[in-house]
Amino acid sequence: NAGVTQTPKFQVLKTGQSMTLQCAQDMNHEYMSWYRQDPGMGLRLIHYSVGAGITDQGEVPNGYNVSRSTTEDFPLRLLSAAPSQTSVYFCASNRGKAGPAEAFFGQGTRLTVV
Amino acid sequence: AQKITQTQPGMFVQEKEAVTLDCTYDTSDQSYGLFWYKQPSSGEMIFLIYQGSYDEQNATEGRYSLNFQKARKSANLVISASQLGDSAMYFCAMMSGVVWGGKLIFGQGTELSVKP
Repeated sequence: NAGVTQTPKFQVLKTGQSMTLQCAQDMNHEYMSWYRQDPGMGLRLIHYSVGAGITDQGEVPNGYNVSRSTTEDFPLRLLSAAPSQTSVYFCASNRGKAGPAEAFFGQGTRLTVV
Repeated sequence: AQKITQTQPGMFVQEKEAVTLDCTYDTSDQSYGLFWYKQPSSGEMIFLIYQGSYDEQNATEGRYSLNFQKARKSANLVISASQLGDSAMYFCAMMSGVVWGGKLIFGQGTELSVKP
């Protein structure tokens, strides 16, 4: 069981470039979410989804887009990268209403914007 | 507003001793869940323990226990018999609301160092 898989693990972007961080889970989890982690801070919620076709904004959504066309995948799009988006990004999933509450995390993507 | 506060940026503990990591929370919701995650230097997030707001007993998972004091809005993590491998960042987090939606609110973390 792979759990939550994020790709890539590392990425360097130039200011203004766009890219998509991939996230896939094979646990048939209902809920998925994206977080960013900056030095000295806890994780902050960017966007989340409670099911296919349903997404909503978290605490720090500006500059990011998401969509959820399938239960398994929840990609995060950076529209026009800025140095302020340099961070470590985590994708997470959890079962939702019908099961254990804990979130399972991917390994993280370390993004540097120059 | 929902908030998690961890007031100990760093902690030291001697190997084999117990240590308590503090966490206070703020929410107006009646239904919520409290979580502790461990983040070693390799960076992954490892789930440790969970406590639901309606659970009457404190949660325990092996060497980890959660000291849940609802009236004080605190959810402290107790690690018994510390091991060198326990050295890591520890995050307290919360989900709350009618529909939790998988949305975690995190504290700023406590860096635990275990001394041999």
